Amino acid sequence: EVQLVESGGGLVQPGGSLRLSCAVSGFTLSRHWMIWVRQAPGKGLEWVANIKQDGSETNYVDSVKGRFTISRDNAKNSLYLQMNSLRVEDTAVYFCAADDLPGASGYWGQGTLVTVSS
Amino acid sequence: QSALTQPPSASGSPGQSVTISCTGTSSDVGGYNYVSWYQQHPGKAPKLMIYEVSKRPSGVPDRLSGSKSGNTASLTVSGLQAEDEADYYCRSYTGSNPLYVFGTGTKVTVL
Repeated sequence: EVQLVESGGGLVQPGGSLRLSCAVSGFTLSRHWMIWVRQAPGKGLEWVANIKQDGSETNYVDSVKGRFTISRDNAKNSLYLQMNSLRVEDTAVYFCAADDLPGASGYWGQGTLVTVSS
Repeated sequence: QSALTQPPSASGSPGQSVTISCTGTSSDVGGYNYVSWYQQHPGKAPKLMIYEVSKRPSGVPDRLSGSKSGNTASLTVSGLQAEDEADYYCRSYTGSNPLYVFGTGTKVTVL
């Protein structure tokens, strides 16, 4: 059974940092591009970042460039999102997902809530 | 790169069909066939329903179908059932920044 389990969310003050983790099982992580998607409370989905199978290529939405870093450890079956200089507008549920089909994400985690507030 | 445009809401009675549009530009929807659709129930993770414009992943019923014309993609849900009531999002590859963009989302109500 495919499982993606996010962790590391919580309450943080503006300017603070958090590291999200996504532990995967049931599929071979090293075969897939991986992504982070977020959803602010009551809002739509926003693509945040992705990373190539071997970690050699990463892409970010402009609003997080220079503040967030996506990484992976295929040996540990894990995906990460290091979030620095957090802003109130980064408050959202963060989902990890695997691109298992061309241009599409078929495997999703349940999400972890990040709240940035003073 | 702005979010793709979807109607905020759509509705239909059980057994009827509903079609959701997803309008972008020649730089995203119109330029690539990497359009996918996701269903999201409240408090749940998104679920992939359509990829590469019109292909269905294993396990997705053939009541769902996708298409594209120019810069607009569409998702049709036929034979509406109660469990189809959810939010639906399209997503397109852009080839630039951001690499992918989601639609604004459509809430489908089964009357």
